[in-house]
Amino acid sequence: KNQVEQNPQSLIILEGKNCTLQCNYTVSPFSNLRWYKQDTGRGPVSLTIMTFSENTKSNGRYTATLDADTKQSSLHITASQLSDSASYICVVSDRGSTLGRLYFGRGTQLTVWP
Amino acid sequence: EADIYQTPRYLVIGTGKKITLECSQTMGHDKMYWYQQDPGMELHLIHYSYGVNSTEKGDLSSESTVSRIRTEHFPLTLESARPSHTSQYLCASSESPNSPLHFGNGTRLTVT
Repeated sequence: KNQVEQNPQSLIILEGKNCTLQCNYTVSPFSNLRWYKQDTGRGPVSLTIMTFSENTKSNGRYTATLDADTKQSSLHITASQLSDSASYICVVSDRGSTLGRLYFGRGTQLTVWP
Repeated sequence: EADIYQTPRYLVIGTGKKITLECSQTMGHDKMYWYQQDPGMELHLIHYSYGVNSTEKGDLSSESTVSRIRTEHFPLTLESARPSHTSQYLCASSESPNSPLHFGNGTRLTVT
């Protein structure tokens, strides 16, 4: 069964600290992996999208890594800010159809305290 | 900021009412989607469209219907709302199936 699991479910860190969010997936075949940030009461916003051949991708203070062999991805946030408080959602796309079906994780709820 | 707009943002209605959730995008994307999201749960695809006059049901069984008469407009209709329809509904669009999704800010629906 194709699944996407994220850990931890929730995380609290102090402003200025770094953190790493994990995503494990069993989706096969694999097309790409995406990370989205969803602020409370808003729609998700794309942070990164990585294909099979990409190991690392950065977007400002956000760095995503992908290990397609172990089917794991991580999102590292550097020097956290209060505005980083949000849910971070991992999404995996298969290439089993022209639809490029998306499998969503349940998200990691990050809270940054001052 | 999002170039995809959803109205209303919040809606509280009684059981049995007919409602239409509006979604419009200004990016000229052919692909549009409706997702349902409950707190702490993953997004579930309920409808999608690959262009004008093309609509398909998604993975999650839904009693709603959609239409795509214009590229920019993808409304979702519930003929008779029930409390089980209480949820957040997110509309999204993309340039291609493998491009990032652009989401609206959602409609939070409560059926009493």
